[in-house]
Amino acid sequence: DADVTQTPRNRITKTGKRIMLECSQTKGHDRMYWYRQDPGLGLQLIYYSFDVKDINKGEISDGYSVSRQAQAKFSLSLESAIPNQTALYFCATSTRGTGELFFGEGSRLTVL
Amino acid sequence: RKEVEQDPGPFNVPEGATVAFNCTYSNSASQSFFWYRQDCRKEPKLLMSVYSSGNEDGRFTAQLNRASQYISLLIRDSKLSDSATYLCVVKVASGGSYIPTFGRGTSLIVHP
Repeated sequence: DADVTQTPRNRITKTGKRIMLECSQTKGHDRMYWYRQDPGLGLQLIYYSFDVKDINKGEISDGYSVSRQAQAKFSLSLESAIPNQTALYFCATSTRGTGELFFGEGSRLTVL
Repeated sequence: RKEVEQDPGPFNVPEGATVAFNCTYSNSASQSFFWYRQDCRKEPKLLMSVYSSGNEDGRFTAQLNRASQYISLLIRDSKLSDSATYLCVVKVASGGSYIPTFGRGTSLIVHP
C-alpha cells in the first residue's frame, strides 16, 4: 500500500459543485501539503499544515479550504468548483528534518 | 518574478550526451535544495538533495552556488530512461518557516 494515499484519483464535476479531495498518510510525518499542477507551471502550493492545529495559506489558496482532521489526514475542499480549477492535485508529506517531500499519486480533477 | 525559476526547455539530446540544467532562486535566505524527477503526469520523486559542497550520485551531479543563487544538475551519459521533467525545489523562508517551493520544471527528451 502507498504511504501517501489520495482519493479520488479522478473526478469529473460541474461548475458550482462542492468537491473534497482527501489525503491520508502512514509515514507518521507531521507536515502535509496540497499542491496544484497545471501544464507548464510546475507545482503551486495551495495550503500547508505543520501539525494538526497549524494551517497556512500557500500562494494560490483563493477558492480552496482545508481541514487537518488528524495527523494522518489532510483534506482539500473546493466549495464551489469553477472550470479554471481543473488541474492535477498532489498531496505531500515531510518531516522537519530532511525536508524531503513524499507525494501521493495525484488527483485529477475536471470541472465542466 | 517567481521565487524559483527554471528554463522549461525542452532539452532534446542524443543518448550518451551530457546535459546540464540550472535553477535560480530569488530569496537569499533559502535553505535546503533538491532536484525531483517527474514522469508524465505522475507524482514527483526525489532525485537528489543538493549540498553546498556539491554531490554526485552515479551519472548525476548537483551543485549549489549560494553567491549567485542557483543550483545545477548535470547528467552524464544520458539514457533514454532519463527522459522526464526535472523539478527544482527550494525551501524558501516565509513567516519564520521554510516552505518547499517548486520551479516550473525542465523537460528533457533523450533520443536514440
